[in-house]
Amino acid sequence: EVQLVESGGGLVQPGGSLRLSCTASGFIFSNYWMDWVRQTPEKRLEWVANIMKDGGHKNYADSVKGRFTISRDNAKDSVYLQMDNLRAEDTGVYYCARDLDYHVNDFWGQGTLVTVSS
Amino acid sequence: QSALTQPPSASGSPGQSVTISCTGTSSDVGGYNYVTWYQQHPGKAPKLIIYEVSKRPSGVPDRFSASKSANTASLTVSGLQAEDEADYYCSSFAGAKQMVFGGGTKLTVL
Repeated sequence: EVQLVESGGGLVQPGGSLRLSCTASGFIFSNYWMDWVRQTPEKRLEWVANIMKDGGHKNYADSVKGRFTISRDNAKDSVYLQMDNLRAEDTGVYYCARDLDYHVNDFWGQGTLVTVSS
Repeated sequence: QSALTQPPSASGSPGQSVTISCTGTSSDVGGYNYVTWYQQHPGKAPKLIIYEVSKRPSGVPDRFSASKSANTASLTVSGLQAEDEADYYCSSFAGAKQMVFGGGTKLTVL
């Protein structure tokens, strides 16, 4: 059974940092691109970033480029999202998701809540 | 990238059909056959129900169908059932490795 489990969310002040983790099981992790997608309090979904199977290529939404860094460790079946210089508009539930290709996300984690507020 | 446009709500009675639209541009929906639809129940993660415009993953009932014409994609839910009440989101590949979502449609089964 495919499972994705996120962790690392929490309350952080504007300008602060957080590192999210997502651990996968039930499939060959290194065979898939992985994505981070967030859902705002208004329930809007926003793609954040994705990373190639071997970590060799990464893509970011314009809204997070230069502030967020996606990475992965295939030996640990894990993908990470380092979030720096956080803003209030980064608040939301962050999901990691398996990417079949062209951003088709067939499995999602349960999400981790990030709240950016003073 | 701007979000794709979906109606905020849709409704139908059990057994009826309802169609949800998703309008983009030639840079996303109209430019690629990579339109995806997700279903999300309250408190749950989104679930993939349609990919590559009209393909259904295994396990998704054939009551769910979808298509695309020019810059608008559509999801049709036939034979509405109570468990179909959920939020539905479309998304599209938008070139340059980017992806864009619709604002979501709340489907109510009357």
